[in-house]
Amino acid sequence: EAGVVQSPRYKIIEKKQPVAFWCNPISGHNTLYWYLQNLGQGPELLIRYENEEAVDDSQLPKDRFSAERLKGVDSTLKIQPAELGDSAVYLCASSLDRGLWNEQFFGPGTRLTVL
Amino acid sequence: RKEVEQDPGPFNVPEGATVAFNCTYSNSASQSFFWYRQDCRKEPKLLMSVYSSGNEDGRFTAQLNRASQYISLLIRDSKLSDSATYLCVGSNDYKLSFGAGTTVTVRA
Repeated sequence: EAGVVQSPRYKIIEKKQPVAFWCNPISGHNTLYWYLQNLGQGPELLIRYENEEAVDDSQLPKDRFSAERLKGVDSTLKIQPAELGDSAVYLCASSLDRGLWNEQFFGPGTRLTVL
Repeated sequence: RKEVEQDPGPFNVPEGATVAFNCTYSNSASQSFFWYRQDCRKEPKLLMSVYSSGNEDGRFTAQLNRASQYISLLIRDSKLSDSATYLCVGSNDYKLSFGAGTTVTVRA
């Protein structure tokens, strides 16, 4: 079974440029998450989708970050404009649904470097 | 203050040794708990869920103490392949809060 797919794996951009990340969750998984992970820290939730609805985006910096999951499957996360402090690994995860004990499956992440 | 706090380590242990470490959580409303494992430059993967009664999975034992709000993980008979960062996770209202991780290095 294919896991969570993310692209690109690495991205280097200059500050003030836009950048977008793509995620394809495990087939049949209704819940999708975007996390940010800084070096030496645990993942921090940016946004959670139940199907196509963003049900928790309280940690998403909405002045520069946006996300969508139009058909309830693939998702994109965009940053515009990027800042130096946005350099991090962006992880996408999916779970079957929002059950309390459901395992979250993570993709390999996109490592973003902002110069 | 972070919702989940962990001793970052590193815990350097010889093969075959037992290693144990804790994490504390501040949100008493947290409903479910997990340990995830993360290898260097890889994604986190679920190691085990942590149930109120405690649970064991092979060489790994997890305990939950709700009164003191801490979770523990014990690894018996450590293998070289156990070297990783172990992330403690609490969940409240379906939102996972990750600790910063405890690094374990098992040496030959």
